Amino acid sequence: QVTLKESGPGILQPSHTLSLTCSFSGFSLSTYGMGVSWIRQPSGKGLEWLASIWWNGNTYNNPSLKSRLTVSKDTSNNQAFLKVTSVDTADTATYYCAHTRRNYFDYWGQGVMVTVSS
Amino acid sequence: DIQMTQTPSSMPASLGERVTISCRASQGISNYLNWYQQKPDGTIKPLIYYTSNLQSGVPSRFSGSGSGTDYSLTISSLEPEDFAMYYCQQYDSSPLTFGSGTKLEIK
Repeated sequence: QVTLKESGPGILQPSHTLSLTCSFSGFSLSTYGMGVSWIRQPSGKGLEWLASIWWNGNTYNNPSLKSRLTVSKDTSNNQAFLKVTSVDTADTATYYCAHTRRNYFDYWGQGVMVTVSS
Repeated sequence: DIQMTQTPSSMPASLGERVTISCRASQGISNYLNWYQQKPDGTIKPLIYYTSNLQSGVPSRFSGSGSGTDYSLTISSLEPEDFAMYYCQQYDSSPLTFGSGTKLEIK
């Protein structure tokens, strides 16, 4: 059974770096074809794909966030990570991680709310 | 970026009714289209992948179709648990993009 759970700081100040962790079970990020993606959703708005990391270490980011995103993984501990630098209020959202195969998000975490506020 | 336009943005409907949600891409996406359901508590559930393939465990009243730039999700007979938000997502090219969503509401 695949499960994922996001964790993060809850609230942080503008210009700081957001660090999120996705802890998962039921699959390995070293298995061929497996990936973890990050998607976010501002309150009352739609979904935005941010980034994906794959079993082979390849990463893909949404260019709309320019170079502010970094995704990484710890295969041994079944975790994936997202860092967003220089946050501002527009980064306030619920952040989801999702198990990904062929760019299909087939299992989702419950999401973690992140508020950027001074 | 490929823009995904979902219509309608909201849809009042009744139990037992057949409904169809549309998703139009700004360019052809070769059937690389998935559908998701989001409940008010934020829980997101995958429904359909590659245009018409039903996710395991999803009721057969859900179906997907389409080609080129035009795709649709149909629910053949609405059940109470189907009233939710629905999103399409293309994966023909990066960045992956979602439609703006359709809110299925009880009439």
